[in-house]
Amino acid sequence: DAGVTQSPTHLIKTRGQQVTLRCSPKSGHDTVSWYQQALGQGPQFIFQYYEEEERQRGNFPDRFSGHQFPNYSSELNVNALLLGDSALYLCASSWNTGEETQYFGPGTRLLVL
Amino acid sequence: ILNVEQSPQSLHVQEGDSTNFTCSFPSSNFYALHWYRWETAKSPEALFVMTLNGDEKKKGRISATLNTKEGYSYLYIKGSQPEDSATYLCAFTMDSSYKLIFGSGTRLLVRP
Repeated sequence: DAGVTQSPTHLIKTRGQQVTLRCSPKSGHDTVSWYQQALGQGPQFIFQYYEEEERQRGNFPDRFSGHQFPNYSSELNVNALLLGDSALYLCASSWNTGEETQYFGPGTRLLVL
Repeated sequence: ILNVEQSPQSLHVQEGDSTNFTCSFPSSNFYALHWYRWETAKSPEALFVMTLNGDEKKKGRISATLNTKEGYSYLYIKGSQPEDSATYLCAFTMDSSYKLIFGSGTRLLVRP
């Protein structure tokens, strides 16, 4: 059983560009969350998708948007990239309850130059 | 502002030592406390989810306790091994919220 997978593993972009990161959840999971981890900090919640809708959002600007597909996979899009968007982006999947463990992928390392 | 504090930030121990870390979180509107182990270049691995005050969970040489009234959780590692070297993250979820609120982690290095 494959765990959570993310692509690409690494990405280099320049300021002002747009980026799309992809996530496939663990088999059987219907909920996908995205987190940003800056150096030296814990992961910060960006948003969560369930039933193809954004269910909850953290303190991130509208430049960060997402999508969930009928097969539960998800994309994170970031527009007008800033240097400060350089971080590790983690995807986590879970079943649709509050208590259940969120299972994380290995992340996508984004560098904005 | 909801803050999760972890201490210490980093810890170096000898193989065979037992060690423990602390996670402090806001006690109001508590729903669940999660512990993760994160080895370099790998995915964070879920260790425990705890919801009830006084909960204790164990997985091999690792155990955790929860005090929701005072807002803290302890993670214990008995007889540390080099393969325990990792960053240990705690996160909590609030009532009616789906997001994990993480601390900055405790980085453990176990010397052979």
